[in-house]
Amino acid sequence: DAGITQSPRHKVTETGTPVTLRCHQTENHRYMYWYRQDPGHGLRLIHYSYGVKDTDKGEVSDGYSVSRSKTEDFLLTLESATSSQTSVYFCAISEAVGNSPLHFGNGTRLTVT
Amino acid sequence: GENVEQHPSTLSVQEGDSAVIKCTYSDSASNYFPWYKQELGKRPQLIIDIRSNVGEKKDQRIAVTLNKTAKHFSLHITETQPEDSAVYFCAARANQAGTALIFGKGTTLSVSS
Repeated sequence: DAGITQSPRHKVTETGTPVTLRCHQTENHRYMYWYRQDPGHGLRLIHYSYGVKDTDKGEVSDGYSVSRSKTEDFLLTLESATSSQTSVYFCAISEAVGNSPLHFGNGTRLTVT
Repeated sequence: GENVEQHPSTLSVQEGDSAVIKCTYSDSASNYFPWYKQELGKRPQLIIDIRSNVGEKKDQRIAVTLNKTAKHFSLHITETQPEDSAVYFCAARANQAGTALIFGKGTTLSVSS
C-alpha cells in the first residue's frame, strides 16, 4: 500500500470554526489531491497540487483552501466550517498525470454540528 | 471540464452471474480510464485501468472495454462472488498538465449467494 497518512481520522467540530486536515505521503509523489465523498455524489475533487506551492481548484473548491509547503504534506483548510461540509475526505497521490493511477489514503470523517 | 456519468447506481446479481457497469465521459481529450472498488468503510482501491490506445483489457474475472468514438467504457465482472459486493467507481482523465481524475457517482454492486 502507498504510504499515505491522513490525520485526524475522525473529527467533530462546530459550525463557524476553522478546521485543517492533513495528508502526509512517504512516496515522494509530485501530485496530491483532496476529494470529498458524499452519498449519491461519489468522489468529488476539491483541490489538487502538482508540486510544492503549486495548487489548483477542483469541482467543489468553494469554502476550502489548500497549502503545500513540502512535497510530503498537503493541507486542506475549512476556514469557517458549515454543516454542508460534513463529509468523508480522501487524500490521494499520483506519480504523474496521464496514465498514472491514484492511491488513496484511509480518509477523514468530518462532522460539522 | 470533464463530466463522467455512471450507470446503474445499484446492481444486484446472483452469485455466478455476470455484472456490467457502464460509464460515459464528455472530454474527448481524456485518455486514461481507471476503475476503483470501495468496500464499506474502506478507501477506494484501483482494480483495473485502460489507456486510450487499447480497446479491451482483462485481469482474471474482470475486464474493461473502451469505445473512444462513442466516449464510453464499461467494467465487466464474470462469475461474481459475494466478495465482489462493493461500490465501484469509474473515472476519466486527460494526459495534460493541470488535469485530475474525475469520478462517476458510483455503482453499488450486491452479489447474493
